[in-house]
Amino acid sequence: NAGVTQTPKFQVLKTGQSMTLQCAQDMNHEYMSWYRQDPGMGLRLIHYSVGAGITDQGEVPNGYNVSRSTTEDFPLRLLSAAPSQTSVYFCATRGGKDTQYFGPGTRLTVL
Amino acid sequence: DQQVKQNSPSLSVQEGRISILNCDYTNSMFDYFLWYKKYPAEGPTFLISISSIKDKNEDGRFTVFLNKSAKHLSLHIVPSQPGDSAVYFCAASDKSNTGKLIFGQGTTLQVKP
Repeated sequence: NAGVTQTPKFQVLKTGQSMTLQCAQDMNHEYMSWYRQDPGMGLRLIHYSVGAGITDQGEVPNGYNVSRSTTEDFPLRLLSAAPSQTSVYFCATRGGKDTQYFGPGTRLTVL
Repeated sequence: DQQVKQNSPSLSVQEGRISILNCDYTNSMFDYFLWYKKYPAEGPTFLISISSIKDKNEDGRFTVFLNKSAKHLSLHIVPSQPGDSAVYFCAASDKSNTGKLIFGQGTTLQVKP
């Protein structure tokens, strides 16, 4: 089992460019989420999904879109990247009572 | 408004001694608390958790204590080992069962040989 996989590992964008961060899981978990980690801020929830076809906003959703067409995949889209979106992004799935399993992360730099 | 706070950005302890990491929260609706450990260039990994109906949970060298009246929890690592050097995040979820976790800022633990 690969668990939670994220691609790419690193990405550099110019302001205004768009891109999609990919997240896939093979644990058949219904719940998936995206977090960003910034220095001194901990991990902040961007969007989450409780199952295919259902998504909702977290703490910091502005500038990001998500969709969930399958149980396995939960991509995060940046439509027009801004320097404030420079961060490390983690995808996670939920197993038992609130125990979440995180992917290895994507380090994004927006110039 | 930071609902979960880890006020110590860093902690340094000697190998074999006890490490105590602290976390405070403000939301009385939180009913489940977790600690995650994170190494550089890796995702956080689950370490230990505690329900609000308990005041202590132990797993090997790791013990989490919960003081609901003070809205405070702590993670004790005994004895500390150099491999424990990492960033530790506390997190909390509320009774709504949405699965959303609120994280603290993290504490970097360094265990010196």
